[in-house]
Amino acid sequence: EAGVTQFPSHSVIEKGQTVTLRCDPISGHDNLYWYRRVMGKEIKFLLHFVKESKQDESGMPNNRFLAERTGGTYSTLKVQPAELEDSGVYFCASSGMRAGRAFFGQGTRLTVV
Amino acid sequence: GNSVTQMEGPVTLSEEAFLTINCTYTATGYPSLFWYVQYPGEGLQLLLKATKADDKGSNKGFEATYRKETTSFHLEKGSVQVSDSAVYFCALSDREGGTSYGKLTFGQGTILTVHP
Repeated sequence: EAGVTQFPSHSVIEKGQTVTLRCDPISGHDNLYWYRRVMGKEIKFLLHFVKESKQDESGMPNNRFLAERTGGTYSTLKVQPAELEDSGVYFCASSGMRAGRAFFGQGTRLTVV
Repeated sequence: GNSVTQMEGPVTLSEEAFLTINCTYTATGYPSLFWYVQYPGEGLQLLLKATKADDKGSNKGFEATYRKETTSFHLEKGSVQVSDSAVYFCALSDREGGTSYGKLTFGQGTILTVHP
């Protein structure tokens, strides 16, 4: 069974550009989460989808971040325009409705220069 | 709100040494507690978990006991190996109506390096 897959693994963009991160959850997992780790600090929750609906987006830092999950399968996280402080590692995780744990992807390392 | 505090690293040990990484938490309600590990070049993996007071989670020689009275979940291993070198994250999850446990609050992570 394939795990959670994230694309790209690394991205380097200039300040002001747009970047789109993608997450493919484990097949059949209704719950999908985005997290971010900035500058070696704690990993912070961004948002939670249940199928295609945003269940909780309390962790989204500002309106430059837009997450979508059309059809309840894969999800994208767009940053537009990117700022220097957006640099970090973005993790995606998924879980089933009865799971006692979440499964994480390898993360996307975003560097804004 | 919820928070997790881990001992600051990095931690450097010799092979076969005893490991303790301290973790304390603040939470409303009755959280589940986790240790995740990130090996170099890989994603986060669940190492162990505990869902109620006095439960002991264990895996790969690592152990942690859910201590409600001290709000702690310290990670221990009796004899570390070079292959244990990684970043370790303590985390908690509020019970949300008994459904998913995916929304996690993490500590800042502790880098462990084990030398031969």
